[in-house]
Amino acid sequence: DTAVSQTPKYLVTQMGNDKSIKCEQNLGHDTMYWYKQDSKKFLKIMFSYNNKELIINETVPNRFSPKSPDKAHLNLHINSLELGDSAVYFCASSQGRGGRSGNEQFFGPGTRLTVL
Amino acid sequence: GDSVTQMEGPVTLSEEAFLTINCTYTATGYPSLFWYVQYPGEGLQLLLKATKADDKGSNKGFEATYRKETTSFHLEKGSVQVSDSAVYFCALGGNNDMRFGAGTRLTVKP
Repeated sequence: DTAVSQTPKYLVTQMGNDKSIKCEQNLGHDTMYWYKQDSKKFLKIMFSYNNKELIINETVPNRFSPKSPDKAHLNLHINSLELGDSAVYFCASSQGRGGRSGNEQFFGPGTRLTVL
Repeated sequence: GDSVTQMEGPVTLSEEAFLTINCTYTATGYPSLFWYVQYPGEGLQLLLKATKADDKGSNKGFEATYRKETTSFHLEKGSVQVSDSAVYFCALGGNNDMRFGAGTRLTVKP
């Protein structure tokens, strides 16, 4: 069974459209994250939820809106897509917040978003 | 704030060569340190970790020692293989997040 899954794996869309990416984890973790990875492989945290509560909300355009219906799911909705939104988006999960005490994060396979 | 700095790549080695990827950190207190690996087209996966000073993490022939005196967590492998070609990320465990380095791309040639 896949631990952290994302759908879709590839997403090609036109500028101005609205799209969603879904993430599910079956590890029983209480914390989930969204990251954006650019073409140079730089990884940037976008959002984090702990027990459905938003705990990290980095400087991200408000066109991006996360939603966590339950602890196992964290979706990302993007309005009015722009060319600069093209990237790979990764979902991750962990047990407990952060990683200070050694909690590792488990990553999904990524969603490659291309905005034309 | 807490952060990690890792050596810039790309790094290209011949098979069976020795690998070192440098990572240094800045942090208050003693956070856990991690190395993640990302193979082409995949998500990141944990390679090894260390949770306190002088701990050595190891996995698949890779090693890294948490050195408080030099604030470092360098990744080493004695003999790399073509299958080790990937992007390697050093990371520091924060209170609410994980702080990742910029990544180092390793290419191993036969």
